[in-house]
Amino acid sequence: DAGVIQSPRHEVTEMGQEVTLRCKPISGHNSLFWYRQTMMRGLELLIYFNNNVPIDDSGMPEDRFSAKMPNASFSTLKIQPSEPRDSAVYFCASSLGENTEAFFGQGTRLTVV
Amino acid sequence: AQSVTQPDIHITVSEGASLELRCNYSYGATPYLFWYVQSPGQGLQLLLKYFSGDTLVQGIKGFEAEFKRSQSSFNLRKPSVHWSDAAEYFCAVGGLNTGTASKLTFGTGTRLQVML
Repeated sequence: DAGVIQSPRHEVTEMGQEVTLRCKPISGHNSLFWYRQTMMRGLELLIYFNNNVPIDDSGMPEDRFSAKMPNASFSTLKIQPSEPRDSAVYFCASSLGENTEAFFGQGTRLTVV
Repeated sequence: AQSVTQPDIHITVSEGASLELRCNYSYGATPYLFWYVQSPGQGLQLLLKYFSGDTLVQGIKGFEAEFKRSQSSFNLRKPSVHWSDAAEYFCAVGGLNTGTASKLTFGTGTRLQVML
């Protein structure tokens, strides 16, 4: 299996622009997670889906952030409008059910200038 | 509040030396426990996990970890470190108040440097 696939690997955008990060989970996995990694806050969970349904979005920092999972093989994390403080590495992870380990993608490094 | 503590921000060991990375958690019940490793510019790779059963768990790359309930600890060990083990190591806890193993709370990480 190719693992969790994220795109793009790197994204540089100007403040105020819309940014969309993409994730393809491992085939057959039904739980999907978005994490953000920063120097200040470390790794933190933003949102997770189970069977394509958002279960917990309490980690989403503000309304500028939104996530969707239209089907079992694709998810997006959108930031609109982006701000410099959104600069971070965003990881997507998936798991086979809620009580198994999560496998992580390579991450998307976002830089907002 | 539930939390995960990795008290060592940075550790340096010589190649061939033994290694122990510390992890403590704060939680009323036994959570799901994990160690992940992150190499520079890479994602997180699962080293090992503890869900239940034998409190000494074996992982990949020669790592092991021991769950000690009385100490709320899940320390990672390796008897002989290789230069390729240089990376950042994260302890993570799942299932805190959720029953969802893979909804993780991470420690702040320990950066391992290996001297040749």
